[in-house]
Parts: sequence; structure tokens; C-alpha cells
Amino acid sequence: DVKVTQSSRYLVKRTGEKVFLECVQDMDHENMFWYRQDPGLGLRLIYFSYDVKMKEKGDIPEGYSVSREKKERFSLILESASTNQTSMYLCASSPSAGGGGTPDTQYFGPGTRLTVL
Amino acid sequence: EDKVVQSPLSLVVHEGDTVTLNCSYEVTNFRSLLWYKQEKKAPTFLFMLTSSGIEKKSGRLSSILDKKELFSILNITATQTGDSAVYLCAVCDAGNNRKLIWGLGTSLAVNP
Repeated sequence: DVKVTQSSRYLVKRTGEKVFLECVQDMDHENMFWYRQDPGLGLRLIYFSYDVKMKEKGDIPEGYSVSREKKERFSLILESASTNQTSMYLCASSPSAGGGGTPDTQYFGPGTRLTVL
Repeated sequence: EDKVVQSPLSLVVHEGDTVTLNCSYEVTNFRSLLWYKQEKKAPTFLFMLTSSGIEKKSGRLSSILDKKELFSILNITATQTGDSAVYLCAVCDAGNNRKLIWGLGTSLAVNP
């Protein structure tokens, strides 16, 4: 089974703090994604990565950055947390085409509920 | 603009009922449609559909895709309280790095 883990289930930070959210997958997937999920807005893609050291902006990248130094790990960074970044953050991974799975299917971690005060 | 619309937004049924959840889409470069179940945690994968008219089935859940009319349905028969969840539909965009375009979900509550 695919396993995607996230460093924290719940996190409380202060406005202006730098926040790191870590995601690790153990299935050797090439593709990794960061979403945020808010009531009434659904899942929105922040950033994604198709390879080590590669990153692409999603639909709402402002205020965020990412890092992918190793294939299994994808980090989301909030450079200066703000209250409007209070949300549920979900990491997902998927295999590449020909990687032994279906690239369309994303597998999710348990989520990190971040509160910025 | 590409979009995925789910209906109804919420639904309350009694155990044993059969429910049908709808997902319609307008996506220029359709590649596949996926259904997920989300309880109080992360979404878990249910089905992926790529071809019209071919039913995917897993226990009491089944799903079918109509690529001509641009919609999919998810059926749950003999519902149980454990089926209570948000059901999410997403369409994979072949022309946009295979990004998933998500609907807002249908919240299903199954009462005993």
C-alpha cells in the first residue's frame, strides 16, 4: 500500500513565523503535490513537483514555496505565516507513466491542520 | 474555464437506502475521472474511469462514466453509517501536466 506521511497532524503558529510542512512517501513516486482544503472552496493546488529539485506553481502559490531535495520528500514552506493561511494542508503523490501505476491517481497523506494566530 | 460540478452538495439518507451522486465536468483535455471518499481525514481513492459505459464496481459502490454527456455517477446501495463521508470527484487534465480539477464534493450522512 502507498503510504504518505505528514510531519504534524495539528500545528499552531503565530503571524509572521516561518512554517515548514513536511511530506514523505514510501512508494518511489515521481510526482508530489501540496493542496490546501477550505470549506466551500474545495481542494486547491499550491505547488507540485515531477522530479527531484523540480517544482511547478499550482493555482494558489502566493505566500508559499516548496523544496524537493530527495525523491521521497516534498516540503511546503510558509515564509511568513498569515491568518489567511489557516487551513487543512494535504500532501499527495502519484507514480509517473510507466512507473508501475496510474499517474492520474493521487494518494494522500493524513493532512496537517494549521492554525495561524 | 475547466470545471467540475458535483450534486447534490449534501444528502441525508437512512441506512439501507440507495444513493446516486453526480459529477459533471467541462474539461478541454479530458483524460480520466476519479472518485474519492473523504472522512475526517485525507481523501482515499475509490475509482478511476476512462471509458464510457464501463461500470467500475467495488462491493456496494459502483460508478460509470458518460463521455458524451460529460458526467459520471457514483452509486451506493444498501447504505451503512460507515458510508457517511464527503465524496469528491476529480478530472485529470491531459493537457495541463495531468493536474486534477476537483469538484467541491457531496456530503453524505447516513442515519441509523
